[in-house]
Amino acid sequence: KAGVTQTPRYLIKTRGQQVTLSCSPISGHRSVSWYQQTPGQGLQFLFEYFSETQRNKGNFPGRFSGRQFSNSRSEMNVSTLELGDSALYLCASSSGPANSEAFFGQGTRLTVV
Amino acid sequence: SQKIEQNSEALNIQEGKTATLTCNYTNYSPAYLQWYRQDPGRGPVFLLLIRENEKEKRKERLKVTFDTTLKQSLFHITASQPADSATYLCALDQTTGGFKTIFGAGTRLFVKA
Repeated sequence: KAGVTQTPRYLIKTRGQQVTLSCSPISGHRSVSWYQQTPGQGLQFLFEYFSETQRNKGNFPGRFSGRQFSNSRSEMNVSTLELGDSALYLCASSSGPANSEAFFGQGTRLTVV
Repeated sequence: SQKIEQNSEALNIQEGKTATLTCNYTNYSPAYLQWYRQDPGRGPVFLLLIRENEKEKRKERLKVTFDTTLKQSLFHITASQPADSATYLCALDQTTGGFKTIFGAGTRLFVKA
């Protein structure tokens, strides 16, 4: 079965622009979580969606937003990009609520210049 | 405040020895804890999940312990191999106040031949 697919793999944007990242979870998985990974901070939780509803959100500014569609695909959007937003953005899917192993995509490497 | 702590210093061991990695947490009451492996430029890969009522879990050369009194998990790799070299992340699933999985910063393991 196909794994978690994130697109694009690499992205370079200029400060002030906005960006949309996409995540297609494993077929049948209804939970999608997003993380930001930087060398200094490790994996930081952004938000989690389950059946199109955001169930939890991490401590990130409102410039970071997301959504999930009826087919469980998810997007995250970052507006007014800052240099500090440069990071690896990872998406993870799981089959249900808690107590499920998470399957991660390869990530999107975002560079803000 | 809530914290997950993993040894930020890299662990260097000789092939064939047992690697032991530590995960400590404070101000969490996780129902379960997970361990993941991450290779450079790739998303984390699930290894093991252990529940709060389980003291120990094994899978092939891997062993995880979970001490909810000490608020600590130990992750062991026996008969380590150079291919085990990677970053290992522990993660807690927090279900109170909304579901989210929180990751530690990870410990880098180097296994020398």
